[in-house]
Amino acid sequence: AQSVTQLGSHVSVSEGALVLLRCNYSSSVPPYLFWYVQYPNQGLQLLLKYTSAATLVKGINGFEAEFKKSETSFHLTKPSAHMSDAAEYFCAVSEGGDTGFQKLVFGTGTRLLVSP
Amino acid sequence: DAGVIQSPRHEVTEMGQEVTLRCKPISGHDYLFWYRQTMMRGLELLIYFNNNVPIDDSGMPEDRFSAKMPNASFSTLKIQPSEPRDSAVYFCASSEDRGPTNYGYTFGSGTRLTVV
Repeated sequence: AQSVTQLGSHVSVSEGALVLLRCNYSSSVPPYLFWYVQYPNQGLQLLLKYTSAATLVKGINGFEAEFKKSETSFHLTKPSAHMSDAAEYFCAVSEGGDTGFQKLVFGTGTRLLVSP
Repeated sequence: DAGVIQSPRHEVTEMGQEVTLRCKPISGHDYLFWYRQTMMRGLELLIYFNNNVPIDDSGMPEDRFSAKMPNASFSTLKIQPSEPRDSAVYFCASSEDRGPTNYGYTFGSGTRLTVV
């Protein structure tokens, strides 16, 4: 069964600093991987997704993530944090390929705190 | 499109009362999901539907919980009787039929349920 592990329930950065949120996955088949963002009192919003095309995936708001099969990782990065990036971020995985519908499995989330 | 619409946004009820949460998915989306989010357990998938048919309800915590989807544009999640431990944010999400994992899910803004 697929699973994801997000290292660090909280990450604090200063405005303008690099953002790095870690996600490692476990899957017996090639996975599809997703990052979602949740702003306070809102639902989850898709940030970016990897579906076996390019390993470096660019998303909204300047975020990107790189799929590294050898490390079973899909870390989320942004070169320069902005105050508006403060939110909770969720990594999710599902089975890839043409196997029909596969539900997403979410990680426990990482809360990003951005200080001035 | 107005997105996934959930009502009410907030619900406060007394223990033992019946609670009904409502969801209107995005038009044309054939999958509908109900999630529960708590600090302790994170995001939990309760049940999902495909073309109005319940596919997997293994996440429903107990018989007090029930979900229905009488048509493609409406779903309900009912808790009867409610208990304080049911207090959580309940999210509805929908997805397209073709390769839903390729497109990701669209989440509603959630219903914050408080049972006192």
